[in-house]
Amino acid sequence: GQNIDQPTEMTATEGAIVQINCTYQTSGFNGLFWYQQHAGEAPTFLSYNVLDGLEEKGRFSSFLSRSKGYSYLLLKELQMKDSASYLCAVMDSNYQLIWGAGTKLIIKP
Amino acid sequence: IAGITQAPTSQILAAGRRMTLRCTQDMRHNAMYWYRQDLGLGLRLIHYSNTAGTTGKGEVPDGYSVSRANTDDFPLTLASAVPSQTSVYFCASSDSGQGSTGELFFGEGSRLTVL
Repeated sequence: GQNIDQPTEMTATEGAIVQINCTYQTSGFNGLFWYQQHAGEAPTFLSYNVLDGLEEKGRFSSFLSRSKGYSYLLLKELQMKDSASYLCAVMDSNYQLIWGAGTKLIIKP
Repeated sequence: IAGITQAPTSQILAAGRRMTLRCTQDMRHNAMYWYRQDLGLGLRLIHYSNTAGTTGKGEVPDGYSVSRANTDDFPLTLASAVPSQTSVYFCASSDSGQGSTGELFFGEGSRLTVL
């Protein structure tokens, strides 16, 4: 079956760096997405990776290794507003999006 | 710019009742989607529409129906609600259809409780 694994919850300190991992097993691969979802709100797009390597976008970076079925989202200079759930999603060979359950990130002062 | 509007934002419903969740977008996106989000589970696709006049089944379509009479509107109907349909429902759109790699834009969600 198809599976996306990411940690349920992580805690980090304001100003620090945190890495949220995502591993996947899917039937084929057509890209990996990261979305941010604040409590009680809609998910919003953060990044899309289809080739191996690191994509940097301000304080957020996303890395992909297709051979390892692995991605991470790196958040630098953490701010309190970064407290949210981070959703990893993979598009399989049928262009169906498979979603992970999300990682709840708690930022402490 | 409204983006995607869902209604109602919250509803408590008796089991067996019929319910329609409304979704309207003003971005002229071709594709629209309905997801449900349950605690501890990833978003699960219920139904989708790649373009006006066409619809398709997602991962969990049973008990739900959709229609796409025009580009902007994509209502989701529960013909006879059951408690297992208690969930948060998100409507989403993209400017390209199922089978593409376009970014999804989500509505604010509709929280449905079936008693």
